Amino acid sequence: EVQLLESGGGLVQPGGSLRLSCEASGFIFSTYAMTWVRQAPGEGLEWVSIINSAGGSTFYADSVKGRFTVSRDNSKNTLYLQMNSLRAEDTAVYFCANMDSSRWSVDSWGQGTLVSVSS
Amino acid sequence: DIQMTQSPSSLSASVGDRVTITCRASQGIRNDLNWYQQKPGKAPKRLIYAASSLQSGVPSRFSGSGSGTEFTLTISSLQPEDFATYYCLQHKSYLTFGGGTKVEIK
Repeated sequence: EVQLLESGGGLVQPGGSLRLSCEASGFIFSTYAMTWVRQAPGEGLEWVSIINSAGGSTFYADSVKGRFTVSRDNSKNTLYLQMNSLRAEDTAVYFCANMDSSRWSVDSWGQGTLVSVSS
Repeated sequence: DIQMTQSPSSLSASVGDRVTITCRASQGIRNDLNWYQQKPGKAPKRLIYAASSLQSGVPSRFSGSGSGTEFTLTISSLQPEDFATYYCLQHKSYLTFGGGTKVEIK
């Protein structure tokens, strides 16, 4: 059974930083691309970033480009999202999900971790 | 960037009703489209992939159709557990979600 477990969320002040983690199990992590998707309170889903299976290619939504960095450690089956210069509009539940590496079809999701940016 | 226009944004329906939700892409996306169901406080769950393939374990009352720019999710006979929000997602070029359709009890 695929399991994705996010952690690292919390309350942070505007301008601050936070690092999210996503521990994966139940599938061969190193063969899947991975994505972070967020959902602001009461709002829809928004793609944040994608990383390919090897970790050598990364992609970002314009709203986070230059502030967020996605990475992965295939030896630890873990995905990361380093979030810097956080803004109030970054407040959301952040989900990680796996994607097939050829067509980027998003399959299984974690339960999400809440990031709140407020003074 | 590819935009996804999902309609309606909400609907009220009764148990047993047939429900149809539509997503339109701003450019052709082949069949690179999935449908997800999300219940409050939970992660999205994939129902349909490649526009029309039913995810394992998903009831057969759910079906998807379409290709190119027009896509449809149909629930043939709405059940109590189907009241939720539904999203389409294109994955031909990066990822773009539709705005969501909240299915409520009439």
